[in-house]
Amino acid sequence: DTEVTQTPKHLVMGMTNKKSLKCEQHMGHRAMYWYKQKAKKPPELMFVYSYEKLSINESVPSRFSPECPNSSLLNLHLHALQPEDSALYLCASSQDPGQPNGELFFGEGSRLTVL
Amino acid sequence: AQKITQTQPGMFVQEKEAVTLDCTYDTSDQSYGLFWYKQPSSGEMIFLIYQGSYDEQNATEGRYSLNFQKARKSANLVISASQLGDSAMYFCAMRELGRGAQKLVFGQGTRLTINP
Repeated sequence: DTEVTQTPKHLVMGMTNKKSLKCEQHMGHRAMYWYKQKAKKPPELMFVYSYEKLSINESVPSRFSPECPNSSLLNLHLHALQPEDSALYLCASSQDPGQPNGELFFGEGSRLTVL
Repeated sequence: AQKITQTQPGMFVQEKEAVTLDCTYDTSDQSYGLFWYKQPSSGEMIFLIYQGSYDEQNATEGRYSLNFQKARKSANLVISASQLGDSAMYFCAMRELGRGAQKLVFGQGTRLTINP
């Protein structure tokens, strides 16, 4: 079982809806990540939180809004999405942002469909 | 800017055979880390193996080993005695060091199919 838990596993939303994806880890990790993965493509980095502060935003459109309420939780708020935003959204965490050999632990992802 | 290249979109291998998945990379950094992840159809990315740029020995983890050739900038994954459960997508990834947070960048992936 993965130690990074993502909910919901599946989400269908209209272009005018507001929804959120949630990610939780209890491994004491201090870095958390959002990746977006389109079908048959590699994951693409969206955001990185380091010690609960946003450290990397890969020029993601403002209709995606990340939030890190505490060191265990990471949210991705969705608003006014487009059909091309349909993808698998993967959350990951790592122990220490500055540690050279720390692997990322991934959740199973939230599969989003925008109608 | 870093770049990861996986030139094999798909590989088909008989069960119990060894398989090598290719990965080349390009970076101007002296310090970097190389990772391999497995992604089954369920979607989860499973960490397999790590190699640091300064590691002198090739990394091994059970049936997985990494053939690291720094001068050629290649980091091929070798799976020994393949099993049906090894069928999945495999991604090579690289991380630049010296940043405040890890930025892990993935190659295009190789879909591995193990035939019985």
